[in-house]
Amino acid sequence: GAVVSQHPSWVICKSGTSVKIECRSLDFQATTMFWYRQFPKQSLMLMATSNEGSKATYEQGVEKDKFLINHASLTLSTLTVTSAHPEDSSFYICSARDPRQSHTEAFFGQGTRLTVV
Amino acid sequence: DQQVKQNSPSLSVQEGRISILNCDYTNSMFDYFLWYKKYPAEGPTFLISISSIKDKNEDGRFTVFLNKSAKHLSLHIVPSQPGDSAVYFCAAIYNQGGKLIFGQGTELSVKP
Repeated sequence: GAVVSQHPSWVICKSGTSVKIECRSLDFQATTMFWYRQFPKQSLMLMATSNEGSKATYEQGVEKDKFLINHASLTLSTLTVTSAHPEDSSFYICSARDPRQSHTEAFFGQGTRLTVV
Repeated sequence: DQQVKQNSPSLSVQEGRISILNCDYTNSMFDYFLWYKKYPAEGPTFLISISSIKDKNEDGRFTVFLNKSAKHLSLHIVPSQPGDSAVYFCAAIYNQGGKLIFGQGTELSVKP
C-alpha cells in the first residue's frame, strides 16, 4: 500500500518553544492530508484537514494559531505546535489518501510522540 | 457528540477462537466503514472496509458485518492469533475522500 512517513517519531521540548512535525506521502501525491491527536487510551481526534495550496480546515475547538498547518507541496504537510505547553503533550498522527487507490482508505504515518516539559 | 462508539474498551480471547469487536454509530449518512489496527506508538494500519450498501465483507480471517437498521457493525477475526493483539478502531466516513470519524478503540488480547 501507499506509504506515509512522519518525522520525528518522538520529540521532547521545553515549555514555550515551538515544534514542527512533518508528514510526507512517499510514493503518491496527496492534495489533502489529515492531522489527528490521540490521548492515552482514547480515540484519534481529527484536528484539521490540510489542503495543498490553501488554508487548512480546523475542527471545532482546535486553535488554528496554536497548531499551524502548512501544505506547501503535494507530498508534504507540516504541523507546528507553537508555544508548546505540557497539556500539548500527546501523540500526533497524520494521514493521507492515495488518489490512485481507494477514496476511502487512508494511510497513516507512524505518529509523533510530543512531550513538553 | 460521539458519532462512532466502541463500548468495549478491551476484549480477551483464546488463540484459535473467534474475536468479535463491535461498533455502533449514530449518523445514518455514513457511507463507508473501516477497521484499523494500531500498535502502541505507531500509526493505525488499515484492515478492512465495508460500503453502507453491503452487509458483509470478507478478507481472509477478517469479516466485517454491517447492520444498517441497528446502526451497528462488527469485526470478526477467525481464528484469532496472538499477533492480532492490538487496539482496533472502527471508523466511518461520509462522502468519499472526506474525514474519518473514529471510535474509542477496543484493545484485543489474544492469549496463547
